[in-house]
Amino acid sequence: DTEVTQTPKHLVMGMTNKKSLKCEQHMGHRAMYWYKQKAKKPPELMFVYSYEKLSINESVPSRFSPECPNSSLLNLHLHALQPEDSALYLCASSQDVMGQGGNTIYFGEGSWLTVV
Amino acid sequence: EDQVTQSPEALRLQEGESSSLNCSYTVSGLRGLFWYRQDPGKGPEFLFTLYSAGEEKEKERLKATLTKKESFLHITAPKPEDSATYLCAVQTTDSWGKFQFGAGTQVVVTP
Repeated sequence: DTEVTQTPKHLVMGMTNKKSLKCEQHMGHRAMYWYKQKAKKPPELMFVYSYEKLSINESVPSRFSPECPNSSLLNLHLHALQPEDSALYLCASSQDVMGQGGNTIYFGEGSWLTVV
Repeated sequence: EDQVTQSPEALRLQEGESSSLNCSYTVSGLRGLFWYRQDPGKGPEFLFTLYSAGEEKEKERLKATLTKKESFLHITAPKPEDSATYLCAVQTTDSWGKFQFGAGTQVVVTP
């Protein structure tokens, strides 16, 4: 069972709605990630938080707004989305981003987002 | 430019028919290579991390190996429950926090 928990599992929203995706991890990890995955494609990185600070923004449109309230929580605020934003949104965490060797990232089960 | 290529794109196996998946990479410097399994509609499940050429890891019917140019995921005597998409990802020495994923290999194991 994954130790990265995402809610909700499914979300349907209109283009004028404001909603949020939530993620929680209890592994003591200090790096957290948001990925977007379309059908039959690999995950695409959106944001990286390291020690609760935004470290990487992969030129994501401002209608996606990440927030890291503390080291265990990560939110993704959604506003004025487009139908093409419909996808599986994955949260992930790792021990940190600067450790020796590679840092294994652990994914949550994802939140299915449909924009109508 | 860093590249990660997985082959084949899809693989159909009979139960018990062993096979291998390939992940070839061209990167400036490798920090780690990762294998994940993803079931439809779910997040990727971590399988293995490999750090240096010659390293091998095993878990049940799966064995991952690493050379300086590629990694193999060997599936020995697969069962239907091994059906999934297998993703390979690399982290490079200059990618700080970024994982580059291959496109994945979709494996179907039939009884």
